Amino acid sequence: AQSVTQPDIHITVSEGASLELRCNYSYGATPYLFWYVQSPGQGLQLLLKYFSGDTLVQGIKGFEAEFKRSQSSFNLRKPSVHWSDAAEYFCAVAALFGNEKLTFGTGTRLTIIP
Amino acid sequence: DTGVSQNPRHKITKRGQNVTFRCDPISEHNRLYWYRQTLGQGPEFLTYFQNEAQLEKSRLLSDRFSAERPKGSFSTLEIQRTEQGDSAMYLCASSLASGRQRNTGELFFGEGSRLTVL
Repeated sequence: AQSVTQPDIHITVSEGASLELRCNYSYGATPYLFWYVQSPGQGLQLLLKYFSGDTLVQGIKGFEAEFKRSQSSFNLRKPSVHWSDAAEYFCAVAALFGNEKLTFGTGTRLTIIP
Repeated sequence: DTGVSQNPRHKITKRGQNVTFRCDPISEHNRLYWYRQTLGQGPEFLTYFQNEAQLEKSRLLSDRFSAERPKGSFSTLEIQRTEQGDSAMYLCASSLASGRQRNTGELFFGEGSRLTVL
């Protein structure tokens, strides 16, 4: 069965600093990987996804993620965070073929300090 | 607003009562998903529909839970004889799947319906 681990429950960074959120996955075949963001009072929004091709994926809001098969990782990065990036971030995995049934990690809560 | 709509947004009920949540997906989407999210956890898959057919149910979905999508448009999730452990955010999501095998990948989520069982 597929699974996702987000080792960091809570991360605090200063506005303007760089950010990296960790995600490790477990899946027997080629994974379909996602990062979603959940802001208070809002639904989950897709930031980016990866299923093949270039291992560095660009997403919305200036985020990017890098797929590393050898490390089973799909870390999310942003070079300079903004106060509006404060939210909960979820990594998820799905089977490449089939339906969009996602297995989510437990999330990383991001706090931005001035 | 053409996004996924869920009602009610918040429901407080007493243990043993029945509750029903409604989800209106994006109109052209043929797949509809229900997830449950508890505090400090990521969303967990409950069930999904392709058009009106319920194609998969998680073991999390006990006999007290039933979901329908009668005309392939909106869906309802009913919980009978609620228990305090049912307190959670219930999320609905939709997607547009083609007839091909490769999944489209992106789910569009509603804002959720929060259930509090006293």
